[in-house]
Amino acid sequence: QVQLQESGPGLVKPSQTLSLTCSVSGGSISSANYYWSWIRQPAGKGLEWIGRIYTSGSTNYNPSLKSRVTISVDTSKNQFSLTLSSVTAADTAVYYCAREGLTLNCFDPWGQGTLVTVSS
Amino acid sequence: EIVLTQSPGTLSLSPGERGTLSCRASQSVSSNYLAWYQQKPGQAPRLLIYGASSRATGIPDRFSGSGSGTDFTLTISRLEPEDFAVYYCQQYGSSPWTFGQGTKVEIK
Repeated sequence: QVQLQESGPGLVKPSQTLSLTCSVSGGSISSANYYWSWIRQPAGKGLEWIGRIYTSGSTNYNPSLKSRVTISVDTSKNQFSLTLSSVTAADTAVYYCAREGLTLNCFDPWGQGTLVTVSS
Repeated sequence: EIVLTQSPGTLSLSPGERGTLSCRASQSVSSNYLAWYQQKPGQAPRLLIYGASSRATGIPDRFSGSGSGTDFTLTISRLEPEDFAVYYCQQYGSSPWTFGQGTKVEIK
């Protein structure tokens, strides 16, 4: 079964760029049936969809973050990545990657999540 | 964007009791594209229900979803100890996809 695993720095300085990678195992990121998404959750708060990428490289972003977000895919490594620029303390959160259905756009499965803290 | 409001914020129940969680949308959710997730402390959310009423693979039948338009309900028929968690609804009828703020089901 498909499993996802996030990786990247746990601490980022304000105004810098957050970069995370999601490694997919047990299935191909090139599958025509799925998108690959990023979602975040500030401590003690709810969930926010950041954006998604298709195997072709086509992306969709949440308008609230669109100016600062880039999602890319590396099919040779079966990975996809998130960069978020000009971060502030408000970007401190647990970041999850997840598989999103092509037609049923809900998220299953999810990675375990990785905490990113924005602090100097 | 569609705003989802969940109620109550916290539900205090005993094992074996029935739990009813509500999710109300600020506008109609297209094609009933509404999902429910369960999240336990320190874990990622797990998909329970999609399409408002279809159970995801491996989800026990004590979990059921219903509703349409702007009003949706997740029902847990008889709470098991492992069901005490936070539950989120999510709409995927209109981009950007959005989540409710969550309902915590706690042991009374």
